[in-house]
Amino acid sequence: EAGVAQSPRYKIIEKRQSVAFWCNPISGHATLYWYQQILGQGPKLLIQFQNNGVVDDSQLPKDRFSAERLKGVDSTLKIQPAKLEDSAVYLCASSSGLDAGELFFGEGSRLTVL
Amino acid sequence: AQSVAQPEDQVNVAEGNPLTVKCTYSVSGNPYLFWYVQYPNRGLQFLLKYITGDNLVKGSYGFEAEFNKSQTSFHLKKPSALVSDSALYFCAVRLGAGSYQLTFGKGTKLSVIP
Repeated sequence: EAGVAQSPRYKIIEKRQSVAFWCNPISGHATLYWYQQILGQGPKLLIQFQNNGVVDDSQLPKDRFSAERLKGVDSTLKIQPAKLEDSAVYLCASSSGLDAGELFFGEGSRLTVL
Repeated sequence: AQSVAQPEDQVNVAEGNPLTVKCTYSVSGNPYLFWYVQYPNRGLQFLLKYITGDNLVKGSYGFEAEFNKSQTSFHLKKPSALVSDSALYFCAVRLGAGSYQLTFGKGTKLSVIP
């Protein structure tokens, strides 16, 4: 079974530039999550989708971050404009449903903002 | 609000010795508790979960965890550590019913010394 795919694995940008990350969840998984993991900290949920609807985006900085899952399968997370403090690993995860106990994570996209 | 505390940034243990990685939680209600492991440059992998039932939960790679409601703890244990167990371990909690947000601790780095 193919796992959660993310790209790019690494991205370096200047502050105020924009960046986009892509995630393809495990086939059939209805729930998709984007987490931000800053060095030395645990992952923090940014947004959670159930199919193509948003379940929770309470911790998403909406002035600069946006995410979509238009067809209920793959998803894109965008940052525009980026700030230095956005340097982090962006993890995508999926699960079979909202009440599923186990999340399956991708390998992450490491963003460095200079 | 729900939170997780992992009081130790790092745990060192000799190969073959038992290991414990500590976790305490705070949630207003019945918790769902999880342990995940992260190897270098990899995404998080699910180890085990407590939803209800037996307080001792067994998971992948010989790990187990004990749910202690009175102490609000969910410590991860393994009887005999392997060098390959060296990794970053994250405890996570969510409120059992009606909430789907998973909150992670900051992580504990486990080093198993040959």
